Amino acid sequence: EAGVAQSPRYKIIEKRQSVAFWCNPISGHATLYWYQQILGQGPKLLIQFQNNGVVDDSQLPKDRFSAERLKGVDSTLKIQPAKLEDSAVYLCASSLGTGNTDTQYFGPGTRLTVL
Amino acid sequence: RKEVEQDPGPFNVPEGATVAFNCTYSNSASQSFFWYRQDCRKEPKLLMSVYSSGNEDGRFTAQLNRASQYISLLIRDSKLSDSATYLCVVNYIGNQFYFGTGTSLTVIP
Repeated sequence: EAGVAQSPRYKIIEKRQSVAFWCNPISGHATLYWYQQILGQGPKLLIQFQNNGVVDDSQLPKDRFSAERLKGVDSTLKIQPAKLEDSAVYLCASSLGTGNTDTQYFGPGTRLTVL
Repeated sequence: RKEVEQDPGPFNVPEGATVAFNCTYSNSASQSFFWYRQDCRKEPKLLMSVYSSGNEDGRFTAQLNRASQYISLLIRDSKLSDSATYLCVVNYIGNQFYFGTGTSLTVIP
């Protein structure tokens, strides 16, 4: 079974530039998550989708971050404009359902460096 | 106060040792609990869920104490391959998942 795919794997940009990340979840998984993991910290949930609807985006900095999952499958996360403190690994995860006991499967992440 | 707190370590233990990690959570309404493992520069992977009655999977034992709001993970007979960061994860009503900062384990030959 194919896992969660993410691209690009690495991205280096200058502050104030824009960047977008793409995620393709495991086929048939209804729930998709975007996490931000800063070095030395645990992943922090940014946004959670169930199919193409937003379940939770309470920790998404909406002044600069946006995300969409238009057809309930792939998702994109955008940062515009980027700040130095956005340097982190952005992890996408998916789970089969919406139950709080569902296993989350993570993609390899996109490592963003903002200079 | 952080939602989930873990001792970051590092824990350096010899092969064959028993090591235990604890994790505390702040919200008594938490519903589900997990331990994830994260290897260096890799994504987190589920190690095991944590049930109220406690559960065991081979050399790994997880315990939950709701009264004191903490979760533990015990690793017996440590292997070199157990070297990783162990993340405590708590889920609240509404499916909000909170990760701890992780506890670093290095098993030494």
